[in-house]
Amino acid sequence: KAGVTQTPRYLIKTRGQQVTLSCSPISGHRSVSWYQQTPGQGLQFLFEYFSETQRNKGNFPGRFSGRQFSNSRSEMNVSTLELGDSALYLCASSLEQMTRTDTQYFGPGTRLTVL
Amino acid sequence: AQKVTQAQTEISVVEKEDVTLDCVYETRDTTYYLFWYKQPPSGELVFLIRRNSFDEQNEISGRYSWNFQKSTSSFNFTITASQVVDSAVYFCALSEANWDTGRRALTFGSGTRLQVQP
Repeated sequence: KAGVTQTPRYLIKTRGQQVTLSCSPISGHRSVSWYQQTPGQGLQFLFEYFSETQRNKGNFPGRFSGRQFSNSRSEMNVSTLELGDSALYLCASSLEQMTRTDTQYFGPGTRLTVL
Repeated sequence: AQKVTQAQTEISVVEKEDVTLDCVYETRDTTYYLFWYKQPPSGELVFLIRRNSFDEQNEISGRYSWNFQKSTSSFNFTITASQVVDSAVYFCALSEANWDTGRRALTFGSGTRLQVQP
């Protein structure tokens, strides 16, 4: 079974621009979560989507948004990019949202550089 | 609030040495899950193990073993006879299981970088 895929793998943008990252979960997985990884803050939870609805949100400004499609694929968008948004953005998928035995499986990430 | 502490920032060992990575967590929840992930230079987080708060049995998988002690809120990871391919950053993470709110997110420790020298 194919793993979580993320596109693009690398992205360079300038301040003020916006960016959209894409994530395709493992086949059959319905929940998608996004995390930001930076050297200073480490791995931080952004949000989780299940059945096309945002179910949980981390402590990030409204410039960070996302959505999930009916096929469980997800996109996240960052508007008005700032230098501090430079990070590795990781997507994780899991079978279901609320089951106690669930495990999140991560994709390779999208490395965003903001100049 | 949840918190995961990995006090060891970086560990360097020589191949074939045993190494233990420490993880201490804080949570007020009675039901929670603990995880270990490995992040090689490629960047992808690779799932290693999941342990729930009701299961304190130690687990062994090949050269890997995990020691979960609820009394000390620790979930330590030991690699026996380390190999160069074990070089990576290892993350301990905590997830609370809350059926009422549906909240489910991983809180990660800061990671431990393991360097295995040949």
